[in-house]
Amino acid sequence: SQQGEEDPQALSIQEGENATMNCSYKTSINNLQWYRQNSGRGLVHLILIRSNEREKHSGRLRVTLDTSKKSSSLLITASRAADTASYFCATANYGQNFVFGPGTRLSVLP
Amino acid sequence: DAGVIQSPRHEVTEMGQEVTLRCKPISGHDYLFWYRQTMMRGLELLIYFNNNVPIDDSGMPEDRFSAKMPNASFSTLKIQPSEPRDSAVYFCASSRSSGVGGYTFGSGTRLTVV
Repeated sequence: SQQGEEDPQALSIQEGENATMNCSYKTSINNLQWYRQNSGRGLVHLILIRSNEREKHSGRLRVTLDTSKKSSSLLITASRAADTASYFCATANYGQNFVFGPGTRLSVLP
Repeated sequence: DAGVIQSPRHEVTEMGQEVTLRCKPISGHDYLFWYRQTMMRGLELLIYFNNNVPIDDSGMPEDRFSAKMPNASFSTLKIQPSEPRDSAVYFCASSRSSGVGGYTFGSGTRLTVV
């Protein structure tokens, strides 16, 4: 299966600290996406990184991709209580058929 | 743009009843996806459409589930008959073929079958 697997399953940090979540996958991909889901809501797209890219930034988010290790990381800098959510990686090896991992539950404590 | 609109937001039904979930994708998006989310199984892709045509329905649990997309602005997911194990949050999402912007998800329908 190409399904991504996030690590850790749960993460608890203090406001202002950085949060790092990892995603590992099994098969080759053409791109990888990260999503956020607040409790009781739909998923929100955060960032897409293509297989020929190594790093992308969006505001306080930094995503890296290492295709040789089949892994990606999502770094949230200077975390805020509002960042409390579940974070998912989604991988696709063709077209639009993305498969989502089980997610990392992030808690940012004030 | 109002985003992806799903209805109803909550549905409680009795076992054996027919349930119809509705989705209006974002105008201009040519892909539409139906997902189911549970604590035990996470997010599961049920079926997706491209230009209103079903492309992959291998995730549909069984014949009790069916999905249609009669036009570019509307899709339904029907469960008949419903069973308690169908209780979950059902999400609809849409995207452009270019992939720019990723998927846009609706707010979901929380289905409870009693």
